[in-house]
Amino acid sequence: TQLLEQSPQFLSIQEGENLTVYCNSSSVFSSLQWYRQEPGEGPVLLVTVVTGGEVKKLKRLTFQFGDARKDSSLHITAAQTGDTGLYLCAGHGSSNTGKLIFGQGTTLQVKP
Amino acid sequence: DTAVSQTPKYLVTQMGNDKSIKCEQNLGHDTMYWYKQDSKKFLKIMFSYNNKELIINETVPNRFSPKSPDKAHLNLHINSLELGDSAVYFCASSQDPPNRGVYGNEQFFGPGTRLTVL
Repeated sequence: TQLLEQSPQFLSIQEGENLTVYCNSSSVFSSLQWYRQEPGEGPVLLVTVVTGGEVKKLKRLTFQFGDARKDSSLHITAAQTGDTGLYLCAGHGSSNTGKLIFGQGTTLQVKP
Repeated sequence: DTAVSQTPKYLVTQMGNDKSIKCEQNLGHDTMYWYKQDSKKFLKIMFSYNNKELIINETVPNRFSPKSPDKAHLNLHINSLELGDSAVYFCASSQDPPNRGVYGNEQFFGPGTRLTVL
């Protein structure tokens, strides 16, 4: 069974601080996605990483896929209160269905 | 012009009842999904349909029965509701099924249906 473990599960920081969220597995994933979910809403896709070692930037967010495609990280620079939410990593599994396997999520609270 | 919509938003019901959740997408996608998010925010796939054909059927009690009358709709019917069914249920859609390459299977999620079984 493929699993994705996210850390930390909860993070509370002050506005302006930097943070990193990790998503780790012992399995290889063909691609990995990061989603952000706000209270009362569904997850929204932020990025898809495909190639080992790939780095993608989305304004203040930097996403990295591990060289072996088993892990990923999300780094936020100068966090803002609007970054508050639940961050989910999800990988396309190796089963023939390619279903998405989600990590348990990281709840981020950015205080003003 | 909501892309993926679900009804109802909230559903409170008694144990043993039968209930349905409806989902519609207006994105022209071929694939639709049902996910369950538990109280710890863990999101897990339940079912997926591609062009009205069931392609993913996870280990879900057979009290849960999805129905796809057409590509734009995927409904979820739940029989004999139990306390453990309480969760948020999300519908999602994507252009392609998840096993058809990397791109084209970005999933768009609905706003969720919070089911509470008393």
